[in-house]
Amino acid sequence: DTAVSQTPKYLVTQMGNDKSIKCEQNLGHDTMYWYKQDSKKFLKIMFSYNNKELIINETVPNRFSPKSPDKAHLNLHINSLELGDSAVYFCASSQSSVGNTGELFFGEGSRLTVL
Amino acid sequence: DQQVKQNSPSLSVQEGRISILNCDYTNSMFDYFLWYKKYPAEGPTFLISISSIKDKNEDGRFTVFLNKSAKHLSLHIVPSQPGDSAVYFCAASAYDKIIFGKGTRLHILP
Repeated sequence: DTAVSQTPKYLVTQMGNDKSIKCEQNLGHDTMYWYKQDSKKFLKIMFSYNNKELIINETVPNRFSPKSPDKAHLNLHINSLELGDSAVYFCASSQSSVGNTGELFFGEGSRLTVL
Repeated sequence: DQQVKQNSPSLSVQEGRISILNCDYTNSMFDYFLWYKKYPAEGPTFLISISSIKDKNEDGRFTVFLNKSAKHLSLHIVPSQPGDSAVYFCAASAYDKIIFGKGTRLHILP
């Protein structure tokens, strides 16, 4: 039973389209995150939510809109996709807001390719 | 602004020998340091961590060393095994954020 699952795993789309990536965790964690790994391989935090409330928004363009319907789900919607949005997007969760041990549980990643 | 730096993109080590992965950081406010391991087509998985008040933490074959004055940490794997071939990310935690390095790809040679 996958702890952090995200769908779809692969997504190929045209510039200008709108797409969503879904994430669910069954660990009972309070905090969920979206990370982006671009072509330079850095894993950069985009957003974090604690109990459905946004706590980190790392200067991400407002074309990216996270939505957390409950603490087990954090979806990422991207409007007007651009070539530079091509990356692997990782969802993650942690027991509480990071700052204690920093242990994150990651999903398998969703590879987005914008043509 | 690279707050966590892994300057070696890759490292090859003979099976059975010691693997040493290095990491440097710039922010003295980091209070936890972590190593994550990533296989292809999978998400990173937590490996080992160390609090900023310690200088060593050991878990089986994995040991992390922290040198706060040098703002440097390292992960030692001994003995190295074929299953250790992966990308290793160094990460540092401060307040609500974890900052990751670019990763080092470790190849364990037979």
